[in-house]
Order: sequence, then C-alpha cells, then structure tokens
Amino acid sequence: EDKVVQSPLSLVVHEGDTVTLNCSYEVTNFRSLLWYKQEKKAPTFLFMLTSSGIEKKSGRLSSILDKKELFSILNITATQTGDSAIYLCASKIRGAGNMLTFGGGTRLMVKP
Amino acid sequence: DTEVTQTPKHLVMGMTNKKSLKCEQHMGHRAMYWYKQKAKKPPELMFVYSYEKLSINESVPSRFSPECPNSSLLNLHLHALQPEDSALYLCASSQAGGFQDTQYFGPGTRLTVL
Repeated sequence: EDKVVQSPLSLVVHEGDTVTLNCSYEVTNFRSLLWYKQEKKAPTFLFMLTSSGIEKKSGRLSSILDKKELFSILNITATQTGDSAIYLCASKIRGAGNMLTFGGGTRLMVKP
Repeated sequence: DTEVTQTPKHLVMGMTNKKSLKCEQHMGHRAMYWYKQKAKKPPELMFVYSYEKLSINESVPSRFSPECPNSSLLNLHLHALQPEDSALYLCASSQAGGFQDTQYFGPGTRLTVL
C-alpha cells in the first residue's frame, strides 16, 4: 500500500526562525512529489519535484527531493506569521489519472 | 488563470435531502477530481474524471454520485447522506497526462449533514 508520512505533526516557531518539514514516501510507480500549503480552505500549490537533488526555490521557500532515500524536505527561512498553515506533501504515481496520495500534513504555527 | 471555483461554499442538509456540489475550471484541464477532507486530516481521493470519463472511483458509497457534463464542469450529487459524511469537499483539476501535471484545488464546499 502506498504511504506518505510527514514529520513533525506540528511545529511552533517564532518569526524569523528557519524550519524544515519532512516528507518520506513509499509508493509504487512514483512520478513526482508535490508540496501544498493549506490555510483555511483549498490547498495551494507550492512545488513539484521530479528529479533528485535539484532544489526548487520560491522566495523564502525551497524544497528538494532524494529519490534514493525516498524523502523530500521543505525549508522556510525567515518565517513570518503568514506562513502559519498546514503543509501537505503528496506523491503522484504514473498513470491512474495522476492520483495523489497525501501525507498527514505538518501544522506550522509562527508566533510574532 | 489557475482558478477552480466551487459552489456552494457551505451546505447544510438533512439525511433525506438531495443536493449537488458544483465545480468549474476554465484552464483547459482534462482531468478533474473530487476529494473529501475531514478535520485535521489530509484530503482523500474520491473520484477522478479523465477526458470526461470516470477513471477512478475509490470505493465511494453510492450515495455520492459524480457527473462530468463537459470538460469544464464537475458535479457531485448527494443523496441520503449520513452525519459522518460531513466534511470539506474539494475539487481539483489538472492537465491530465502531462509530465509536469499539477493539480489545482478549488476553495471547497463545507458540508454539514444533520
């Protein structure tokens, strides 16, 4: 059975801190790993990672995939209160309508 | 434009009611998805439509009935629901088949079954 596990479950930091969120996966026919940020409603897309070792960056957020060790990390530097959200990672498998299997999420709270 | 819209935003229904959730996208995507998300849990896939044909049904009870009238619209018909069906129902769409395929989510419908 395909499995995606995120850690930590929750995290409380202060503004300006740097955080690292972890996502490990065990899936058959792996295609890519996606990160989403979910505040009150819909998950919003952050990154899609397909190749190992290539960092993707967007502002203070960056992410990298290790296909040998089957994990990905999401880094957020100089955190702000607006970064408070649930961060979801999901694996996409080949075929099967591009199904996503989500991890349980990491709930990040950034205090002023 | 990466917008997926969903209506209604909130829905309260009794167990004997029949209602429908609607989802629309105008990004030319050919795959559309329904997810169910309970509080503090990740989204769970319910259905996938690819090129307007149902390609995946994740063993969802028949009281949930999806419909894809055209490539831009996706409906979820609800009948005889149970209180445990109360959840956030998310619609998503993607290009369908492309290597860089990404799913974009709508804002969701918050459903409460009394």
